[in-house]
Amino acid sequence: AQSVTQPDIHITVSEGASLELRCNYSYGATPYLFWYVQSPGQGLQLLLKYFSGDTLVQGIKGFEAEFKRSQSSFNLRKPSVHWSDAAEYFCAALPSGGSYIPTFGRGTSLIVHP
Amino acid sequence: DGGITQSPKYLFRKEGQNVTLSCEQNLNHDAMYWYRQDPGQGLRLIYYSQIVNDFQKGDIAEGYSVSREKKESFPLTVTSAQKNPTAFYLCASSIRTGAGEQYFGPGTRLTVT
Repeated sequence: AQSVTQPDIHITVSEGASLELRCNYSYGATPYLFWYVQSPGQGLQLLLKYFSGDTLVQGIKGFEAEFKRSQSSFNLRKPSVHWSDAAEYFCAALPSGGSYIPTFGRGTSLIVHP
Repeated sequence: DGGITQSPKYLFRKEGQNVTLSCEQNLNHDAMYWYRQDPGQGLRLIYYSQIVNDFQKGDIAEGYSVSREKKESFPLTVTSAQKNPTAFYLCASSIRTGAGEQYFGPGTRLTVT
């Protein structure tokens, strides 16, 4: 079955530290891949997306993600975390080539310590 | 500005009452979606619509109903048959199903007592 896994429910980092949030997918062919961010009580906002091509994708707010086909992963990174990055982060995958619906991971809650 | 609006932000109802959540988009998107979000459970798909006058059940459609009479609007009715309706509800849209990212509204928090 197609699935998206975010292994970490919570991640705690200190402000200014680097961040990596993990996302693994299980699909027959490489899907389209997305990272969204959700602040408390708000909707989701797209951070970045990967369809094809360059495996390192730049997004908004200083985030980037790297697609690794061999590991079926699409991990989100940021070199220096700000307190305002505290939020819920969702990875999503969408099979290419049809009228499919995205599958979301369960989310990773980022806590930032001063 | 183009986007998705959901109203109201907070909604309170008594048990046994139906309630309708509004979702409007001015992005000219064909596809629209409703998700339910509970703490620690991520997003669960309730219904989606690929085009006007068409909609499909998602993973947790029981106790919910939708309509899509206009391209811009996709209201969700939470019926009295929904056993645990208290949740955060998110509406989203995309150009069409299977294409590109989704755009999300700000959500409606429904509390049923």
